[in-house]
Amino acid sequence: GNSVTQMEGPVTLSEEAFLTINCTYTATGYPSLFWYVQYPGEGLQLLLKATKADDKGSNKGFEATYRKETTSFHLEKGSVQVSDSAVYFCALSYNSGTYKYIFGTGTRLKVLA
Amino acid sequence: DVKVTQSSRYLVKRTGEKVFLECVQDMDHENMFWYRQDPGLGLRLIYFSYDVKMKEKGDIPEGYSVSREKKERFSLILESASTNQTSMYLCASFGTAQHFGDGTRLSIL
Repeated sequence: GNSVTQMEGPVTLSEEAFLTINCTYTATGYPSLFWYVQYPGEGLQLLLKATKADDKGSNKGFEATYRKETTSFHLEKGSVQVSDSAVYFCALSYNSGTYKYIFGTGTRLKVLA
Repeated sequence: DVKVTQSSRYLVKRTGEKVFLECVQDMDHENMFWYRQDPGLGLRLIYFSYDVKMKEKGDIPEGYSVSREKKERFSLILESASTNQTSMYLCASFGTAQHFGDGTRLSIL
């Protein structure tokens, strides 16, 4: 079946460090892939997305590339800030016509000043 | 921007009560979703709706029902609240991606 696996957290980094959060997926067909961010006490916000192989999604300095050969969609940022501290969710949308998503369990990022 | 509004940020109810969680979206989206979020389990789909009066069960529908009488409003109902339904509840609607409300943190005492 379809599934998303994210690296366990928390991930703790110093300000200006490089960030990678790993996400791999299992899916039949050609899913779309997403990263969402959840700040404390809030709902999920769409951070970026990619709809086909080799697409790169980017937003607010974050990037992720849809790698079909490795079934991965790793989130990266070159220089994190304290304000990036949040929980990050990887998700896939499989082509069922219902627009249902499957979410990973989330990775908590803590950025220290 | 898509706006998804959940009626309450925090709610405290008692065991056995019937609980209504309301969600409204302003973009005329057909598809709407209810999730619960628990530590270590991520988001789990409870129910979704793909049109007015149309609904389908998600992965964990037991103990819940939903109502979609108008396109913009999707309600989640806990028929008889139990302590294991204490959780964060998130509503989403689908445009080009799923867009979420701020969530309702529900405590059942």
